[in-house]
Formats: sequence, structure tokens, C-alpha cells
Amino acid sequence: DQQVKQNSPSLSVQEGRISILNCDYTNSMFDYFLWYKKYPAEGPTFLISISSIKDKNEDGRFTVFLNKSAKHLSLHIVPSQPGDSAVYFCAASATGGTSYGKLTFGQGTILTVHP
Amino acid sequence: EAGVTQFPSHSVIEKGQTVTLRCDPISGHDNLYWYRRVMGKEIKFLLHFVKESKQDESGMPNNRFLAERTGGTYSTLKVQPAELEDSGVYFCASTPLGRGPDYGYTFGSGTRLTVV
Repeated sequence: DQQVKQNSPSLSVQEGRISILNCDYTNSMFDYFLWYKKYPAEGPTFLISISSIKDKNEDGRFTVFLNKSAKHLSLHIVPSQPGDSAVYFCAASATGGTSYGKLTFGQGTILTVHP
Repeated sequence: EAGVTQFPSHSVIEKGQTVTLRCDPISGHDNLYWYRRVMGKEIKFLLHFVKESKQDESGMPNNRFLAERTGGTYSTLKVQPAELEDSGVYFCASTPLGRGPDYGYTFGSGTRLTVV
């Protein structure tokens, strides 16, 4: 039973345009959401997070939007750069759970930004 | 500050053999997590240490997997005996105690385990 889903395995975008990565979740106990970026042969790197009490969080070129009623979040990258090409993972945490800080990840979306 | 260090980076073993993976967290990070990614799928939680104690081991697949964290410093994950389905990339991550869930983990580069 996959509680966090990234339904698009891949996304291809032109440099300078917007990249929109989507994520859906099913567990209503999740109250924190995070995005990680992963390059080949490296571990995931934390990008940005959002609490369930907010609907938007912005950090430079990265903005995460949360639609709690739809159990959906998205990561916007504007403008996209070739160096953004990586696998992006959505992750969620339930602070009321047995393991504070335990993350449930989606399958990842491969983003390719073309020059 | 040194990052999270994992070794070996790669390991190829035969089915039935034993393998031990090691993780050195960032110094002072009391939370240590093990995760695994199998065949390009999602990254799955295995277990969580707080210092030397297992806080949550609900993600451990079966009793062929044994994790330890001696003295609350480095951690080892032993697979004995290894099966083909244990192949994947094993990631370790650490965070300081008391940080909220919105505080991103620092992950190691992972150990790619191949069981043949």
C-alpha cells in the first residue's frame, strides 16, 4: 500500500521554463512534506519542506504548494536549469507516529532539463 | 563538517553469504536512519536509532537483517544470509536530536548491494 505516489516517472523541460513535479498522498496523518533531489551515485539531498498548516513555501527558485483537501503537493522550479536534472523524491512525515522523523517516500520523478 | 559516510560503496556477494554495511553519521547527530531503494522504486524506511537505542524497526524486512549502533556512534547493518531480493541501494541518514520533521536529513551516498 503506497501512501505517497509520484505518478509521473519522468519529466522533460526546456531550460528557462517552469518544471512542475507532482505528488499525491493517502495518509491524512501526514503533517510534514519534503522534497529531495538525487543525482546518480549520490544520496538524496534535502530541497524544501512544508508543514500541513501552510499551503505554500518558497526558497529561491523552488516553491512547494500543498493542497490538503486534495492530498496533493507540487514542486515548482522556476526557471529550470540543466543542473536541476536529477531524480526528485516527494516524502511525508507523520509527527504523531511511532518514529518521529520517519519519512515515507514516493517512487521519484526523473527531471531532465534540456539546454 | 564531514557528511554521512557509508562503506563499502558497492558490494557484490553470492546468495547465502553475509554482508555488513557501515554508516558513520555526522558527529553529534543522535538520530540515525537506514533506508533502502530497490530497483528504482521508492526509498523505504528500515529503522531508526536514537543514540544506541532502536526507536523504530518496523521497516526491517525479516530477521535476516540485524542493525546495531555501538555506543551511539556508527551503525552497522548485517544481512545474513543474503537473498536475491536484498539487492538494492542502502542509504543511511542522520539528524540532530530535537530537530523537527521539516529539518531535512543528511543522507550518505549509499551502499549498492548486489546479491547474485
